[in-house]
Amino acid sequence: EVQLVESGGDLVQPGRSLRLSCAASGFTFDDYAMYWVRQGPGKGLEWVSGISWNSGNKAYADSVKGRFTISRDNAKNSLYLQMNSLRAEDTALYYCAKTGTSGRELDYWGQGTLVTVSS
Amino acid sequence: EIVLTQSPGTLSLSPGERATLSCRASQSVSSSYLAWYQQKPGQAPRLLIYGASSRATGIPDRFSGSGSGTDFTLTISRLEPEDFAVYYCQQYGSSRFTFGPGTKVDIK
Repeated sequence: EVQLVESGGDLVQPGRSLRLSCAASGFTFDDYAMYWVRQGPGKGLEWVSGISWNSGNKAYADSVKGRFTISRDNAKNSLYLQMNSLRAEDTALYYCAKTGTSGRELDYWGQGTLVTVSS
Repeated sequence: EIVLTQSPGTLSLSPGERATLSCRASQSVSSSYLAWYQQKPGQAPRLLIYGASSRATGIPDRFSGSGSGTDFTLTISRLEPEDFAVYYCQQYGSSRFTFGPGTKVDIK
């Protein structure tokens, strides 16, 4: 059974940093690109960042480019999101998601970890 | 950047009725790159349809997807009580995903 379990969410002050983690199991982690998607309170889904299976290709939404860094450790079946210079508008539930076979859809999602940026 | 628009914003229907949800793209999208998700309150999104018309594993056949170019449709043939939720379309391009704003299907 595929499982994605996010952790690391917290209440932080604007300008501070936070590192999210996603522990994956139930599939061959290094066969798939992985992504972070967030959802602000009462809002829709927003793609944040993605990383290829071998970390050779990384992509970021314009809203987080230069502040967030995605990484993965295939030996530990883990995905990470380093978030720096956090802003109030980064407040959201952050989901880790796995691509499907075609690589163009997200077929499994974690339950999310909540990041709240507030003074 | 491709922008996805979904309509209607809210669809009020009764169980047993047919639901037709629309997703329109600001420019042509390859059918292979269009997906639909269902999200219920307090839950993560669930993949329903990928490649515009292929059902994901375990998705009932009352859910179907169609369309091409800039216009795509998700149809729920007969609404079950568990189908009342928010539905998002999504397109993929250049290693990034774009989601539509969602359509809420609620009970009339």
